[in-house]
Amino acid sequence: NAGVTQTPKFRVLKTGQSMTLLCAQDMNHEYMYWYRQDPGMGLRLIHYSVGEGTTAKGEVPDGYNVSRLKKQNFLLGLESAAPSQTSVYFCASSYSILGTARETQYFGPGTRLLVL
Amino acid sequence: AQSVTQLGSHVSVSEGALVLLRCNYSSSVPPYLFWYVQYPNQGLQLLLKYTSAATLVKGINGFEAEFKKSETSFHLTKPSAHMSDAAEYFCAVTSNSGGYQKVTFGTGTKLQVIP
Repeated sequence: NAGVTQTPKFRVLKTGQSMTLLCAQDMNHEYMYWYRQDPGMGLRLIHYSVGEGTTAKGEVPDGYNVSRLKKQNFLLGLESAAPSQTSVYFCASSYSILGTARETQYFGPGTRLLVL
Repeated sequence: AQSVTQLGSHVSVSEGALVLLRCNYSSSVPPYLFWYVQYPNQGLQLLLKYTSAATLVKGINGFEAEFKKSETSFHLTKPSAHMSDAAEYFCAVTSNSGGYQKVTFGTGTKLQVIP
């Protein structure tokens, strides 16, 4: 099992460019999440999905869109990148819903994004 | 609303010394609490979690944490630090409030282990 994988590992964008980050998991998890990690701020939830074809907003959704067309994949899109979106992005997945005793999130290795 | 406070963004200990990383939380509903470890250039890995079954939770790599409701704390400890413990540690609280999957991470504590 590869667990949770993310592509690309690193990307540099110019302001206004668009890109898509891909997250894939092979654990048959229903729930998937996108976080951003910034120095001194911990991880903040951007969007999440509770199943194929469903997505929902997290704590900091503005400027991002997501799609979950296949159960194993969760895509994060930036339509018009801004310097404030420079961050490290982590994808995670879990078998059960957050806030339940069974929940354990498995994280990918991260994508470092620099927006100039 | 829920929140997590990790006291000390950097902690240094000598190899073999006690490790104590502090986490305090607030939550309006019974919380589930987690500690994650992040090694450089890697994702987060679950160390342990509190799910109300037992107040003293044992995790991987010799770490444990005790849930103290009266103090709203979930401090992480390890009796004897090893060089390989040098990493950043995150405390997190989750709750299922009204269908919104709320998770809150602390700002992290970087642990340095001095030989």
